[in-house]
Amino acid sequence: GAGVSQSPRYKVTKRGQDVALRCDPISGHVSLYWYRQALGQGPEFLTYFNYEAQQDKSGLPNDRFSAERPEGSISTLTIQRTEQRDSAMYRCASSLRGAHNEQFFGPGTRLTVL
Amino acid sequence: GESVGLHLPTLSVQEGDNSIINCAYSNSASDYFIWYKQESGKGPQFIIDIRSNMDKRQGQRVTVLLNKTVKHLSLQIAATQPGDSAVYFCAENKYSGGGADGLTFGKGTHLIIQP
Repeated sequence: GAGVSQSPRYKVTKRGQDVALRCDPISGHVSLYWYRQALGQGPEFLTYFNYEAQQDKSGLPNDRFSAERPEGSISTLTIQRTEQRDSAMYRCASSLRGAHNEQFFGPGTRLTVL
Repeated sequence: GESVGLHLPTLSVQEGDNSIINCAYSNSASDYFIWYKQESGKGPQFIIDIRSNMDKRQGQRVTVLLNKTVKHLSLQIAATQPGDSAVYFCAENKYSGGGADGLTFGKGTHLIIQP
């Protein structure tokens, strides 16, 4: 596709359930980023990959959050045992390669934990 | 940790006027800065970037100014149009050779264009 795509666009889940959020980056983009954005706030960095290698996961809030990009393309952000405080917009971005390159953002997945 | 922030949460300007959105950053080691525009219900959209070895960069109707002495960044939009109404974020990216390479965003300024 022409841009970064994410699925699902909306996810409503019950507290304690696991969720998996998918990101399909722009074809050929080496770097892939995950952010979380609260209403009225700027995106908050979670983690990023170059190819299939997770370069930095310092932004992941706790060990319930994990991400993978096994083939260097599509990535999945998984949240285990969801809590209400996990409710937010989760955004994915990709760039040709890392530093000093424009990051293109996807439309996001709106996660609501009841 | 250190962060990028904005001075004004809301800015209202008349259509056709110029607007200036300001941003202060605290990390003196930052070497790359970006402005993003976010319209309601959409993801952030890149506007313009600037590296720390520059103090000014111009795009189409937009200019970014960087003052490293006072750690200040600004975005100037000329002849504002209704389509410029959005939230604007400044962000910094510090390349650390394999370390954190994500963007650190400020809180955003909501630009409102009055007809």
